[in-house]
Amino acid sequence: GAGVSQSPSNKVTEKGKDVELRCDPISGHTALYWYRQSLGQGLEFLIYFQGNSAPDKSGLPSDRFSAERTGGSVSTLTIQRTQQEDSAVYLCASSSSGGYNSPLHFGNGTRLTVT
Amino acid sequence: AQSVSQHNHHVILSEAASLELGCNYSYGGTVNLFWYVQYPGQHLQLLLKYFSGDPLVKGIKGFEAEFIKSKFSFNLRKPSVQWSDTAEYFCAVIRNSGNTPLVFGKGTRLSVIA
Repeated sequence: GAGVSQSPSNKVTEKGKDVELRCDPISGHTALYWYRQSLGQGLEFLIYFQGNSAPDKSGLPSDRFSAERTGGSVSTLTIQRTQQEDSAVYLCASSSSGGYNSPLHFGNGTRLTVT
Repeated sequence: AQSVSQHNHHVILSEAASLELGCNYSYGGTVNLFWYVQYPGQHLQLLLKYFSGDPLVKGIKGFEAEFIKSKFSFNLRKPSVQWSDTAEYFCAVIRNSGNTPLVFGKGTRLSVIA
């Protein structure tokens, strides 16, 4: 069946530009996560959506980062005024619960390069 | 917030060697524990998980992990590694209460050489 889909797969942008990254979770999955993966830093938690609850934004590194999830399905991660340190692979994952007692299903990620 | 420590950044083993990757977490309450694996060019996938019961859990491809509550540890083991086990391994922890996120360690890269 269809897995978690992320677009674009690669994004190169100039420093100072805004970018939007998209995630289509598995249908019916109520939980959606964004993580950032960079060399030596592993998987850094960014934001977590669970059903209709307020999102857990505790992992967002600065106010340049924001995310929304429309209709409990598709999510968009927005990075404003990108900086070179934002370069990383941005991973989206979904789960039928919160990953608490069911595994996360990951997308292939968006590789963001800020020049 | 809970945190996860993986002490080995990069492990290099010969085929048939035994593997143990360390994982420690900081939260004192009840947790669910996971190991995820990312093979080269592939997305992350679940290797094994612990929720409750027998602290020795078995996963896919001959991997196992042991939960030692007193040590806040969940080390991953495999008696005899294969070249195809070359991958990055991530330990993850989630609190067993409340609506809190799944937190990952920084990962351990395993290279298996022939």
